[in-house]
Amino acid sequence: DAMVIQNPRYQVTQFGKPVTLSCSQTLNHNVMYWYQQKSSQAPKLLFHYYDKDFNNEADTPDNFQSRRPNTSFCFLDIRSPGLGDAAMYLCATSTLTGDSKKLFFGSGTQLSVL
Amino acid sequence: GQNIDQPTEMTATEGAIVQINCTYQTSGFNGLFWYQQHAGEAPTFLSYNVLDGLEEKGRFSSFLSRSKGYSYLLLKELQMKDSASYLCAVRGTGGYNKLIFGAGTRLAVHP
Repeated sequence: DAMVIQNPRYQVTQFGKPVTLSCSQTLNHNVMYWYQQKSSQAPKLLFHYYDKDFNNEADTPDNFQSRRPNTSFCFLDIRSPGLGDAAMYLCATSTLTGDSKKLFFGSGTQLSVL
Repeated sequence: GQNIDQPTEMTATEGAIVQINCTYQTSGFNGLFWYQQHAGEAPTFLSYNVLDGLEEKGRFSSFLSRSKGYSYLLLKELQMKDSASYLCAVRGTGGYNKLIFGAGTRLAVHP
């Protein structure tokens, strides 16, 4: 089945140690998003790609970077994780054609920072 | 600014009907979505409204009034598995299909 896959499901890192989260999709969607969701809060958009064009949200910290080497894969790099970066990180995809253009989410990566 | 408000928590009884409200104030509007999210899992799509009125899909219905900046999600014949958070999200007019989410309403269904 076509889907959005995030690895790993759970990630533990140390304070200040770089970490990379990955996302892949078989939907061939143009747009890929990274959202951060802290406990009992709304998912917050960090950035998105339209094809290879990168779009950063104005309030996304510089500590967060992203790479999209091809249509299928997208990575979230946290250069120096702090305790406040512990959260669920959600990858999503969408197309800009069609009726609702709904977002398809991966299962998320729960990041813990020790 | 952008603001989406939902009640934080609701409780209901198995077999009953529950209505979850959402009000929004956004700089543009190009559709409203409802997603279901079980604890520790990703959101899954429930419904989409872009025009005023009611959209029905099985046990779930969603209503939109653009003039009032208001939507609700109606869940009928509640089941225990409906215990989850329900996220209201608005798509603005800024392009790239970006969604702004509310914090979600945590629904607990009791026997």
